[in-house]
Amino acid sequence: DTGVSQDPRHKITKRGQNVTFRCDPISEHNRLYWYRQTLGQGPEFLTYFQNEAQLEKSRLLSDRFSAERPKGSFSTLEIQRTEQGDSAMYLCASSPLGGGPVGYYEQYFGPGTRLTVT
Amino acid sequence: AQKVTQAQTEISVVEKEDVTLDCVYETRDTTYYLFWYKQPPSGELVFLIRRNSFDEQNEISGRYSWNFQKSTSSFNFTITASQVVDSAVYFCALTSPGKLIFGQGTTLQVKP
Repeated sequence: DTGVSQDPRHKITKRGQNVTFRCDPISEHNRLYWYRQTLGQGPEFLTYFQNEAQLEKSRLLSDRFSAERPKGSFSTLEIQRTEQGDSAMYLCASSPLGGGPVGYYEQYFGPGTRLTVT
Repeated sequence: AQKVTQAQTEISVVEKEDVTLDCVYETRDTTYYLFWYKQPPSGELVFLIRRNSFDEQNEISGRYSWNFQKSTSSFNFTITASQVVDSAVYFCALTSPGKLIFGQGTTLQVKP
């Protein structure tokens, strides 16, 4: 399977614990995105990388959230001191850089990591 | 600010009926891209179509068709002769730029 993969698929944690999620994009894709989706809502943008550079962060990404893409391949999203409000589906997507303008290429999404904070 | 509005929260139809999902967007960009994604019960978002702001031609792909009207800032999606397998949440999205701004989604239920 050459699609976007995410690990773990489900995570249950207690409030105050730290969690880390991993995303492996499609291998030839330079751009990698993180979104958060709560029940009944559309995905909300968190951050994105072009190769290893983090180019944009949403104001939704509080100081407790950090994302990395150290070698321009896989990415990790860490949430420190989790809160119940962090319970959501965390989606990763990737797209090629290509020669087109920014935003031209569709993003391919992984299956998501469902986080439940108790 | 960019915004996407999908006013229909849920639609229920009987198989073989045609159904149109509405999408209205707001942007100040002159160049932008619009997308439709499908999210079946399994949860993974599936890309359906991309349309750029300079191309207002309607597009048809099998039972799916899309109507883009820049004058009304709308990008509507029609499924002809709906099938049970079309049951899913459908999202309209706008680039801003690079990242996607999603609407709240429309849940389509197709009953046999």
